Amino acid sequence: GAVVSQHPSWVICKSGTSVKIECRSLDFQATTMFWYRQFPKQSLMLMATSNEGSKATYEQGVEKDKFLINHASLTLSTLTVTSAHPEDSSFYICSARVTGRQETQYFGPGTRLLVL
Amino acid sequence: GQNIDQPTEMTATEGAIVQINCTYQTSGFNGLFWYQQHAGEAPTFLSYNVLDGLEEKGRFSSFLSRSKGYSYLLLKELQMKDSASYLCALNDYKLSFGAGTTVTVRA
Repeated sequence: GAVVSQHPSWVICKSGTSVKIECRSLDFQATTMFWYRQFPKQSLMLMATSNEGSKATYEQGVEKDKFLINHASLTLSTLTVTSAHPEDSSFYICSARVTGRQETQYFGPGTRLLVL
Repeated sequence: GQNIDQPTEMTATEGAIVQINCTYQTSGFNGLFWYQQHAGEAPTFLSYNVLDGLEEKGRFSSFLSRSKGYSYLLLKELQMKDSASYLCALNDYKLSFGAGTTVTVRA
């Protein structure tokens, strides 16, 4: 199946710093990527939809100025958590939408963020 | 909202069969996904139902009934490695996930 990578896989940072997470589709082009956040023992919550060449669409309650998304190419979307605080500590997962014979979404391996 | 409901936990014995139900309250969606998620890892794709009926893929099968607002994932010949969380998700371009069902397989 299609492969989606994320980098870094985990990051520890100090409160107030910014963290950039990359999501890449390795063997296909993804016009649309999604960013999710998952807290312990909870399900995935969609944060935003990232469309190549246009502004991201954020879900209600997600601060667009805090979570900056850039989808500059068909294989790369980035999520920057600006001025991170401990409450931003979570598991961030991206997915890439694949259309065609069968639509699906393939998930990246996730990035675990810990803000001290 | 779509009110996607799944049982929180299920326990079964190795070699047995387990059925995970997923109910929802919406009619407008493209299809329904099932994903498997092991602790600390990202979800992996299991199945996608667009039409009503049963989709079989080896030990895993998924069923959808749009008129009843209901889907299930059937796991057969359970193995220890099947212990994981199973998520159903409605696809309306964006995915809306249920809370997930944690399946524990015991020897």
